[in-house]
Amino acid sequence: KAGVTQTPRYLIKTRGQQVTLSCSPISGHRSVSWYQQTPGQGLQFLFEYFSETQRNKGNFPGRFSGRQFSNSRSEMNVSTLELGDSALYLCASRQQGRSNTEAFFGQGTRLTVV
Amino acid sequence: DQQVKQNSPSLSVQEGRISILNCDYTNSMFDYFLWYKKYPAEGPTFLISISSIKDKNEDGRFTVFLNKSAKHLSLHIVPSQPGDSAVYFCAASARSGGSNYKLTFGKGTLLTVNP
Repeated sequence: KAGVTQTPRYLIKTRGQQVTLSCSPISGHRSVSWYQQTPGQGLQFLFEYFSETQRNKGNFPGRFSGRQFSNSRSEMNVSTLELGDSALYLCASRQQGRSNTEAFFGQGTRLTVV
Repeated sequence: DQQVKQNSPSLSVQEGRISILNCDYTNSMFDYFLWYKKYPAEGPTFLISISSIKDKNEDGRFTVFLNKSAKHLSLHIVPSQPGDSAVYFCAASARSGGSNYKLTFGKGTLLTVNP
């Protein structure tokens, strides 16, 4: 069974631009979450999608948005990029239907804003 | 306000000895706890989890202990191996809005196992 796939792996963007990151969850997993990891910080929760609906949202500005498609694939968009948005963006998928399930992470997209 | 705290940024142990990584939490609504291991430039890898109805869960060399009254959990690795050298993240989740679960992570502890 294939794991969580994130594309691209690396990205360099200029301040003010926008970026779209993609995540394909494990087959059969319907929940997709996004996290941001910056140096010295833990993983900060961005949002979670389940069945194409955003179910949870972290404390990030509205420049950060996402969506989920009917095949459970998800995209995350960041508009008007700032230098502080440089981070490793991680996607995690989880199988719903069980009360407590672990999340499986992709390898992440390393975004550098210059 | 940090709801999951890993107070030791780093830990160094000798190969073959026990590694003990600690984690404290403040949110009494957390009902599921997980440990992840992360190598540089890779995503976190799930290690082991524990539900709040248990106080211990074991999987091979890894054991997680949960002390709900102290809001404290720990990960024991016995025996430690050089390949265990990585950053370990503690995470917790609380049921919110029905079947939705958000993971709250600590900042991680860098474990170095010396040969």
